[in-house]
Amino acid sequence: EAQVTQNPRYLITVTGKKLTVTCSQNMNHEYMSWYRQDPGLGLRQIYYSMNVEVTDKGDVPEGYKVSRKEKRNFPLILESPSPNQTSLYFCASSSAYSYNEQFFGPGTRLTVL
Amino acid sequence: GQQLNQSPQSMFIQEGEDVSMNCTSSSIFNTWLWYKQDPGEGPVLLIALYKAGELTSNGRLTAQFGITRKDSFLNISASIPSDVGIYFCAGQLNRKAAGNKLTFGGGTRVLVKP
Repeated sequence: EAQVTQNPRYLITVTGKKLTVTCSQNMNHEYMSWYRQDPGLGLRQIYYSMNVEVTDKGDVPEGYKVSRKEKRNFPLILESPSPNQTSLYFCASSSAYSYNEQFFGPGTRLTVL
Repeated sequence: GQQLNQSPQSMFIQEGEDVSMNCTSSSIFNTWLWYKQDPGEGPVLLIALYKAGELTSNGRLTAQFGITRKDSFLNISASIPSDVGIYFCAGQLNRKAAGNKLTFGGGTRVLVKP
């Protein structure tokens, strides 16, 4: 089954404790993105990757890092989480040939205390 | 950055009713998309619009790409209980730009009338 998976689905952590949210897709997609969803603000892009070893900042990159060492994986790293990073995070992937049909993962709800 | 204003923010539906929502932007987009998000899941693409003035249907859903390229509308006809969820509009300026970047509206939460 074609899908985007994220882990963990839920995470409660404390300020300053490094964490990684994993994202994996099995569709051989070139493009992958991370979004955060906050009430009333819709989804805002954090980082994106157009292919292996190619990443760039989205609209709200501060406090986040990403890496794309393999085509299928695109982890999101919070080196020193803060309470304002409490949010619902989505990973998405799409083919270079069908740009706008992004497939979203199920989401990771992160709470930073 | 660009912002999309989506309205209404929430609405109640009664089974069988037609409902509509819209999205406006301060700048143009070349692609408009409508997504639906069910509780506990990621957004799923409903309709994609590629041309100003285009009207596209997907079952009971109809969406239009505004002539000015600054707005889009989504209509749901004969609503049913499973239509509840959050509907997002999204705009894309350039299909090859910035890793397929989408700009999302704030969402319209559709609820069932008690």
